[in-house]
Amino acid sequence: GENVEQHPSTLSVQEGDSAVIKCTYSDSASNYFPWYKQELGKRPQLIIDIRSNVGEKKDQRIAVTLNKTAKHFSLHITETQPEDSAVYFCAASNSGYSTLTFGKGTMLLVSP
Amino acid sequence: NAGVTQTPKFQVLKTGQSMTLQCAQDMNHEYMSWYRQDPGMGLRLIHYSVGAGITDQGEVPNGYNVSRSTTEDFPLRLLSAAPSQTSVYFCASSKEQLAEQQFFGPGTRLTVL
Repeated sequence: GENVEQHPSTLSVQEGDSAVIKCTYSDSASNYFPWYKQELGKRPQLIIDIRSNVGEKKDQRIAVTLNKTAKHFSLHITETQPEDSAVYFCAASNSGYSTLTFGKGTMLLVSP
Repeated sequence: NAGVTQTPKFQVLKTGQSMTLQCAQDMNHEYMSWYRQDPGMGLRLIHYSVGAGITDQGEVPNGYNVSRSTTEDFPLRLLSAAPSQTSVYFCASSKEQLAEQQFFGPGTRLTVL
């Protein structure tokens, strides 16, 4: 089955800095890669997703890049703010009836 | 729309007790999933359903049962609770594909003593 590795497990940045979280996946057939944000004590919420026919996708201060050859994808957050502090999960799936496999998460701490 | 709802929010059980975690969605989503979240382990899939009457096992199904008699409801049953089942449980639903754009419920924090 699919295996998703996520790094780093914790990331501390100063407000205004950029943050990058990286994930690798094992199944070359995977074609859907979402990112979820989970604030403390809250439910995970989808913040951005990308499909394998696209190399990069942006939404305001967040962007995701995908390298199919190397089987890795990354989340980029620019101009970080304290409210960006949360746990971020990457995931991968072969879509269709395939299930979603999550990475173990990255705790992002943004200091004012 | 209430979205995805889960009850109870918190539950304490003794080893060997059984209980049902409720999950409901009012978005007419075909696909529903149950995950457990443990510290440092991410979200692990327990069971999922691709429509009413159809369920299947995920990564960690042992000790849990599910059924899907209606589109709206997807209860998770713990048959004989064990301390290893202490966790936060999330239900999720999606419309177009099982894995895509999942909406999560608020979670149930379960402690088994």
